[in-house]
Amino acid sequence: EADIYQTPRYLVIGTGKKITLECSQTMGHDKMYWYQQDPGMELHLIHYSYGVNSTEKGDLSSESTVSRIRTEHFPLTLESARPSHTSQYLCASSEEGRPYEQYFGPGTRLTVT
Amino acid sequence: KNQVEQSPQSLIILEGKNCTLQCNYTVSPFSNLRWYKQDTGRGPVSLTIMTFSENTKSNGRYTATLDADTKQSSLHITASQLSDSASYICVVFDRGSTLGRLYFGRGTQLTVWP
Repeated sequence: EADIYQTPRYLVIGTGKKITLECSQTMGHDKMYWYQQDPGMELHLIHYSYGVNSTEKGDLSSESTVSRIRTEHFPLTLESARPSHTSQYLCASSEEGRPYEQYFGPGTRLTVT
Repeated sequence: KNQVEQSPQSLIILEGKNCTLQCNYTVSPFSNLRWYKQDTGRGPVSLTIMTFSENTKSNGRYTATLDADTKQSSLHITASQLSDSASYICVVFDRGSTLGRLYFGRGTQLTVWP
């Protein structure tokens, strides 16, 4: 079982609210990732980080933002949630030199009403 | 265009039966291929990883095969159990990119009935 945690696990929120999805890992991994997954669809990379103070946008355009102030923490923020943001958000991490070995958190199921 | 295609999209089998899931990929240059199991509402968990030179790898009741020439992989599950009900995702690693890009399939949703 990977030591990567996400909170909350489920979130139902109204349109226009600001939300932050938390992701933490205790493995000391430098690289962290955020994926978005809709039912029956593949995971899409929306953000990644090489290390502290490093963040990059992924392949799928997202209105969310991320920060990496501490190695173990990689939160994702939506300033103004919309129904189109309804999805599952998965956080992952990998150690330096092994980007193909990503460990995933349990995910946050977000529903925006 | 998704470079990893999985079939079937969904599959229902009876407990105790065997099944085989397929993965075709066009990712190049290929580095390795991994099968993940994703339970409903959970994150993916790695089952097996196979490199270019490996043809078969087993993990308990799970056996993965790889044909790098035809760019095909399969995951065979023997003596299925109710707990095998999950989505099985094929993931291919492209070592040619700076980030080391992962390409995900859409998964095969397996349901095991008692």
